Amino acid sequence: DAKTTQPPSMDCAEGRAANLPCNHSTISGNEYVYWYRQIHSQGPQYIIHGLKNNETNEMASLIITEDRKSSTLILPHATLRDTAVYYCIVTVPGNTPLVFGKGTRLSVIA
Amino acid sequence: DAMVIQNPRYQVTQFGKPVTLSCSQTLNHNVMYWYQQKSSQAPKLLFHYYDKDFNNEADTPDNFQSRRPNTSFCFLDIRSPGLGDAAMYLCATSRPRDRGSKAETQYFGPGTRLLVL
Repeated sequence: DAKTTQPPSMDCAEGRAANLPCNHSTISGNEYVYWYRQIHSQGPQYIIHGLKNNETNEMASLIITEDRKSSTLILPHATLRDTAVYYCIVTVPGNTPLVFGKGTRLSVIA
Repeated sequence: DAMVIQNPRYQVTQFGKPVTLSCSQTLNHNVMYWYQQKSSQAPKLLFHYYDKDFNNEADTPDNFQSRRPNTSFCFLDIRSPGLGDAAMYLCATSRPRDRGSKAETQYFGPGTRLLVL
């Protein structure tokens, strides 16, 4: 079973920041937080991951709380192409397969 | 450039008629995965290969089999497809540096959508 809880859906105005929350209160010390997204009729796409420090890349920023029980994915300037289902996943190091929860369906509105 | 390739993108088969879905990768990753994704649901892992070591999920039906003849290719065989097997089938790869190393990202193919008539 997925170890994360996410809101089922969110809307965001185009050009504004999209902040997607994720709760993972039972995360263990060696588990990373990963974010993927899945645009309609495509395979999931990796976005970003982190252990305890905040992370930023060309796609997004990941903010992890100090107690690591929750995190927020930030898309700084959402575009219509960011409309997708966003999955927050916690996983142990190595080749442990991903366990997807239900994700958040983000709709970016013009 | 395509890194994880799945063919065909759409596959139609008949109830009970064996079908094979294929996946190939140009990443030289040693781990390959097969996921099943039904409509409006999250992807669900069926099995994965770590090199040639096959790892089956406990709740994967016996109707589903897999083959990995070499690093680049992996096949999903559905021996007797039922109407409930209609879904998107996703192949993914990863390359952990070694067992127990930092978690690695997975690269997904575009998926094959299977329709069972």
